[in-house]
Parts: sequence; C-alpha cells; structure tokens
Amino acid sequence: GQNIDQPTEMTATEGAIVQINCTYQTSGFNGLFWYQQHAGEAPTFLSYNVLDGLEEKGRFSSFLSRSKGYSYLLLKELQMKDSASYLCAVTVGLNTGFQKLVFGTGTRLLVSP
Amino acid sequence: ETGVTQTPRHLVMGMTNKKSLKCEQHLGHNAMYWYKQSAKKPLELMFVYSLEERVENNSVPSRFSPECPNSSHLFLHLHTLQPEDSALYLCASSQDAGGRTGELFFGEGSRLTVL
Repeated sequence: GQNIDQPTEMTATEGAIVQINCTYQTSGFNGLFWYQQHAGEAPTFLSYNVLDGLEEKGRFSSFLSRSKGYSYLLLKELQMKDSASYLCAVTVGLNTGFQKLVFGTGTRLLVSP
Repeated sequence: ETGVTQTPRHLVMGMTNKKSLKCEQHLGHNAMYWYKQSAKKPLELMFVYSLEERVENNSVPSRFSPECPNSSHLFLHLHTLQPEDSALYLCASSQDAGGRTGELFFGEGSRLTVL
C-alpha cells in the first residue's frame, strides 16, 4: 500500500520561516516531489529529491531522508503569495515498468501580514 | 499555446448525460495522465498513457473511459456518472512514464459537478 502523511493546515506570518513535513510509507521509492497549488489553479513543480540531503532553490529548500521515510519543505522569507497548498508526492514503480506519482493530501499554508 | 490545456474548465451534468473532457499538451511529452482531485483527499491517479498506450488503469469504474488518439491529446469520456464523481479532474503530462524524474506538468483542471 501507499501512505503519505502531511499536516492538513499551517499558518505563518509574512517574513517568517515555515517547515512542512511529509512522511511516507510506499511500496518502492524512486524520488520525492513537492508541488505548489494555488486555489483554483494547477499544481506546479517546486522540487525533486532522490538522494538524502538538502536541495536549495532560492527561498525554498527540500530535505529527504530515505531511511526515515521523511521529507520537509522549508519556505523562508514568507510572502503573502506563498499562501497555497503544498503537495508531497512519491514516485513509485508500476508493474508495467513505468512510474507514477502518489500524492499526499496536501498542506494548506496560510500566510498572514 | 503552451503547456497543458484542458476544456471545459467547468462542467455540470446530470447522471444520465454523456460528456467528454479534453486535454492537449504542447510540450512534446510522451506520457499523459488523468488525476481526480476531491476535497480533503489526495490526488488520485486514474489513467496513465505512454505513447498512446494505456499503461495504468487504477481500478477506475467503467463509467470513465479514457481515449488517447495521439501523444498530444487525451480525452476522458463520462457517462452515467454519480454525484460522488463530482471533483476536479486534472490532466498532466511528462517527458515519459518511465523516466528518472517523472516531473508532471498539470493543466488547470476541469471542475465537474454531477447533479
């Protein structure tokens, strides 16, 4: 089975730092993605981790520990426009040899002034 | 046009209607996907197509029928749906369905309401 857990909702203040955690238990693992989805819009790619460690991209960083089945997304210098849902997704293999993304429920982040 | 486009953006249908959702990708990708997004639930994978061949059918009821005439177009044909099928249906594409990254590019979605 596939199980991906993230907090349902988080709140933070403009200019602050927030960490969104994701734990996973999946049958197979080929990488972990973070997507951002604003209300009424398509999810957009934020980051990809396949090896343990931290990947930094501007204000956003993503960390992965494969042995712990754990990842987090770190958002620095929060801006109002960062209010969105953040989706954690794990790539697993299919019996056909192809791959698919399995998503968590998403974490809704509310940034206040 | 660029990216992944879906039509219609909003659809209201009765349980006896037949309708179709359309998706077109302009990225030169080889794989296309249908996902269902319901409130407070994870994105659920429905179908995966690689080079117009269906490679995954994730236990989806037969009232949903996908069609992939070429690598740029994907349809989802709907018939005799139930109210619980009301959701946002997202189309996505990726370079291929077996690649190392598998990064997905999503369309804006089709919001379906079944009365």
